Amino acid sequence: SAVISQKPSRDICQRGTSLTIQCQVDSQVTMMFWYRQQPGQSLTLIATANQGSEATYESGFVIDKFPISRPNLTFSTLTVSNMSPEDSSIYLCSTPVQGVAGAPTDTQYFGPGTRLTVL
Amino acid sequence: GQNIDQPTEMTATEGAIVQINCTYQTSGFNGLFWYQQHAGEAPTFLSYNVLDGLEEKGRFSSFLSRSKGYSYLLLKELQMKDSASYLCAVVTDYKLSFGAGTTVTVRA
Repeated sequence: SAVISQKPSRDICQRGTSLTIQCQVDSQVTMMFWYRQQPGQSLTLIATANQGSEATYESGFVIDKFPISRPNLTFSTLTVSNMSPEDSSIYLCSTPVQGVAGAPTDTQYFGPGTRLTVL
Repeated sequence: GQNIDQPTEMTATEGAIVQINCTYQTSGFNGLFWYQQHAGEAPTFLSYNVLDGLEEKGRFSSFLSRSKGYSYLLLKELQMKDSASYLCAVVTDYKLSFGAGTTVTVRA
């Protein structure tokens, strides 16, 4: 299984500012995803980070608010822009386990998460 | 749309058995996951079912019935460290849709 790390692990930010979260995987993976977990709630998919092309966003999430980069097969960033207190959440990246010949399987592991508090 | 339901809370005694049910109605289905999440931590993978039947892994077992849109997670010989939130998730095209989670409290 891949080892996934995220930076920062937590941050406290002022409203109106932006924060970029990094996700690093220790092996090349074809797919990476970003999820959000608001306080007391379950996880919601924000977008699929596509290598070499624009991210694919889920309903309710837009690129201007959550720009995503995927410069290579081991790294992705998620930026939370123009933050408000409603953006206070845990942000997690995930990737499917690579199976035979590098094809992704359905099993997914999550990074440790970034706990964001917006004041 | 995706609709995944599981109970909000369950309480059980140390050493006992608890069964967490999950029902789903989704626009696609490639499998069902159970994750465990302790407070302040990321979810950790417990099980994956794609075919009907029971998958056993130590103290944890997971069951799936695709025709009924139903799964359960069975936790046996409960330990205090099993107190956590348990998340049911359906995967479609590698994307996970989660239920709201079930908080399990284990009492001595």
